[in-house]
Amino acid sequence: ELKVEQNPLFLSMQEGKNYTIYCNYSTTSDRLYWYRQDPGKSLESLFVLLSNGAVKQEGRLMASLDTKARLSTLHITAAVHDLSATYFCAPSKGGSEKLVFGKGTKLTVNP
Amino acid sequence: DAGITQSPRHKVTETGTPVTLRCHQTENHRYMYWYRQDPGHGLRLIHYSYGVKDTDKGEVSDGYSVSRSKTEDFLLTLESATSSQTSVYFCAIEGENEQYFGPGTRLTVT
Repeated sequence: ELKVEQNPLFLSMQEGKNYTIYCNYSTTSDRLYWYRQDPGKSLESLFVLLSNGAVKQEGRLMASLDTKARLSTLHITAAVHDLSATYFCAPSKGGSEKLVFGKGTKLTVNP
Repeated sequence: DAGITQSPRHKVTETGTPVTLRCHQTENHRYMYWYRQDPGHGLRLIHYSYGVKDTDKGEVSDGYSVSRSKTEDFLLTLESATSSQTSVYFCAIEGENEQYFGPGTRLTVT
């Protein structure tokens, strides 16, 4: 059974600072997604990581995947208030399209 | 937008009543999914479909059934709603290495 653990679950940071969200998963996965969710809204796709060593960047967010360690990270550079949201990682169950979601990291960026 | 709509967007119903939620896509994608989102649990897969009349269970399927009679529509039915099914329900479709989510349905069972 695929289990997903995100750390931390809550993150309060100051504008301008850097931080990393970690996503560990328990069994082999073909791909891993990162999503953003604003309060009361749907999920917005940020990144899909398809292979070991994959790195993707968009603005102040950078995601990476280490399939051997079963670890993905979402790095935030020079945080701004607009990045305040909940972030979810979701690896796929090996050989299927079914995703298993972490519990989410609620990020608050303070001025 | 990925062309996914959900209806209704909000619903309040009483315990024991049947409820059907609808997910509609305009993209002609094969795979469709129903998730529920509850505080502290992230999203959990209820059922999914890999084609017309082809469906399978997810991790939290008890108390739910689904149907897909045409490509564009995926229905989720709560045969007899219970308070534990109060949740936000999201539909998703599988595109090119991407799962796109609908706007969600907030269901309250009193």
